[in-house]
Amino acid sequence: GESVGLHLPTLSVQEGDNSIINCAYSNSASDYFIWYKQESGKGPQFIIDIRSNMDKRQGQRVTVLLNKTVKHLSLQIAATQPGDSAVYFCAENNNNDMRFGAGTRLTVKP
Amino acid sequence: AAGVIQSPRHLIKEKRETATLKCYPIPRHDTVYWYQQGPGQDPQFLISFYEKMQSDKGSIPDRFSAQQFSDYHSELNMSSLELGDSALYFCASSIKYQETQYFGPGTRLLVL
Repeated sequence: GESVGLHLPTLSVQEGDNSIINCAYSNSASDYFIWYKQESGKGPQFIIDIRSNMDKRQGQRVTVLLNKTVKHLSLQIAATQPGDSAVYFCAENNNNDMRFGAGTRLTVKP
Repeated sequence: AAGVIQSPRHLIKEKRETATLKCYPIPRHDTVYWYQQGPGQDPQFLISFYEKMQSDKGSIPDRFSAQQFSDYHSELNMSSLELGDSALYFCASSIKYQETQYFGPGTRLLVL
């Protein structure tokens, strides 16, 4: 079936570096994408979203890029900080159905 | 800002017992979603409600049921609990169906 997935299960970066977390989706009909951050024992926290009529959206220190041609979504975190260490999920929302990817664990080294 | 409230935060039950999880959405949010997250897994959608009516059904077992009340809070009722039901259960709410979902802190259920 169609699903949302992440390329890498773990990512380790140095504090201050930029992080890029990738996500591939296979349902070309998906029109809304969200990135969530989940810290241990807590609920997923909304980071940023993007609709399919856009290819880039920026927030505070975060940027989401959407490439519909190759069905790829990425989350860029600038100047990664220790507090950014968490599991990051991408999710796609299609026709009232939101599906999560498997998650990438981001570890920030001091 | 007010967030989604879930209770209880932790729950321990024995096999074949029942459990009720409660969710209070963000004020003015009319849609509630329930998710189950096993260890190291992504959240799996169980069921959702919009304006007190069930709107979508995911991988919710027949042993589970849920409803949304007139004040928009929702309850997930779980019966004949099994060891495999041990998980984090999240509730999320949105201001209207299809919009961004905001998650609560979750209820950690342990079935012994």
